[in-house]
Amino acid sequence: SQQGEEDPQALSIQEGENATMNCSYKTSINNLQWYRQNSGRGLVHLILIRSNEREKHSGRLRVTLDTSKKSSSLLITASRAADTASYFCATVEETSGSRLTFGEGTQLTVNP
Amino acid sequence: GAVVSQHPSWVICKSGTSVKIECRSLDFQATTMFWYRQFPKQSLMLMATSNEGSKATYEQGVEKDKFLINHASLTLSTLTVTSAHPEDSSFYICSGEKTGAYNEQFFGPGTRLTVL
Repeated sequence: SQQGEEDPQALSIQEGENATMNCSYKTSINNLQWYRQNSGRGLVHLILIRSNEREKHSGRLRVTLDTSKKSSSLLITASRAADTASYFCATVEETSGSRLTFGEGTQLTVNP
Repeated sequence: GAVVSQHPSWVICKSGTSVKIECRSLDFQATTMFWYRQFPKQSLMLMATSNEGSKATYEQGVEKDKFLINHASLTLSTLTVTSAHPEDSSFYICSGEKTGAYNEQFFGPGTRLTVL
């Protein structure tokens, strides 16, 4: 079952703007991961943040994690048209080994 | 890197037939592989966890006799959709787990199944 909820479900912005997506979850986690999926394709791993980390950066990506609120956010700065994709958060629960539970996803459209 | 391939990338079949999808880890050994199903504009739903040399573990609501999983080697897992029906039409994605600090999953490109 899906434990993650993401908002917004869809986001449309102009090139150069920042995009922020949020993810909430329900259980205690070991880590949280963000993935990107282009239409009809497989998933690309973007970033992993451990439960004892609060913020992580990778290029134009910034991820935050608030375990007290059971939420995470993904910020994409200076967006490009090529960033258009669906973005999913996925959690690894403390008791589930490496099993991933995916959120509902956010469809990001970056208009040129 | 860690690359996972799937074959075929798409398949169209008639109702009642069986379809086999292969998932291969190309440059690492995957003791564990996962099979997901994704309906249009929806998220990935885990169907089953495939372990090399043992029976797969199916998620609640997934029929093990309909979705046969065989993990015959450390680099290959297969999913067979038996007696496929139109409602089985979906995007099937596998992942291979690479052991390490986080046992990261690497995803295949997916297989689009259309059952007529």
